Amino acid sequence: DGGITQSPKYLFRKEGQNVTLSCEQNLNHDAMYWYRQDPGQGLRLIYYSQIVNDFQKGDIAEGYSVSREKKESFPLTVTSAQKNPTAFYLCASSTQGGTGELFFGEGSRLTVL
Amino acid sequence: GQQLNQSPQSMFIQEGEDVSMNCTSSSIFNTWLWYKQEPGEGPVLLIALYKAGELTSNGRLTAQFGITRKDSFLNISASIPSDVGIYFCAGQLGTYKYIFGTGTRLKVLA
Repeated sequence: DGGITQSPKYLFRKEGQNVTLSCEQNLNHDAMYWYRQDPGQGLRLIYYSQIVNDFQKGDIAEGYSVSREKKESFPLTVTSAQKNPTAFYLCASSTQGGTGELFFGEGSRLTVL
Repeated sequence: GQQLNQSPQSMFIQEGEDVSMNCTSSSIFNTWLWYKQEPGEGPVLLIALYKAGELTSNGRLTAQFGITRKDSFLNISASIPSDVGIYFCAGQLGTYKYIFGTGTRLKVLA
């Protein structure tokens, strides 16, 4: 079945460590996104990518980095510079190059110890 | 950042009752999307709306794209226990830019 796969589902990190969250999609979508979800808040955009080898900062990009070397893959690195990284992270992709329906993965919960 | 005004924040209803929730904004949207999210899971797309005034159903769910393009409504008819979850809206403001509501937490009492 087509979809978006995120891994790992749960991740624990010590302060000062970088961690990378994986996102793979087989929907053949051009656009991919990373959002952060915190309790009581709407989703906030971290980064998005329109096409391979291109990505743009979202509203809360500080302390995060991404790459888009393949159409199917859009990994997110949470660096030690991110002050409050404990959150639920959602990867998404959209049809028609950024217009229309937005589909999400299952999410990755990062906890900083 | 921008957020959509979604109400109510939470609802406790009896099984079999109908449910209504809505999202409003000061911005005009091209697309409205409605999602359901369960604890620890990713949001699942329920309904997508593309045109002002559009009314679309998905089983017991019905959603409408407001005439002004600044609001949208979701109705669930004859609720059942598995409807429990958080429902939220999203409006597409421009290419690659989506704005999200904070969600309506629905609890169904059997």
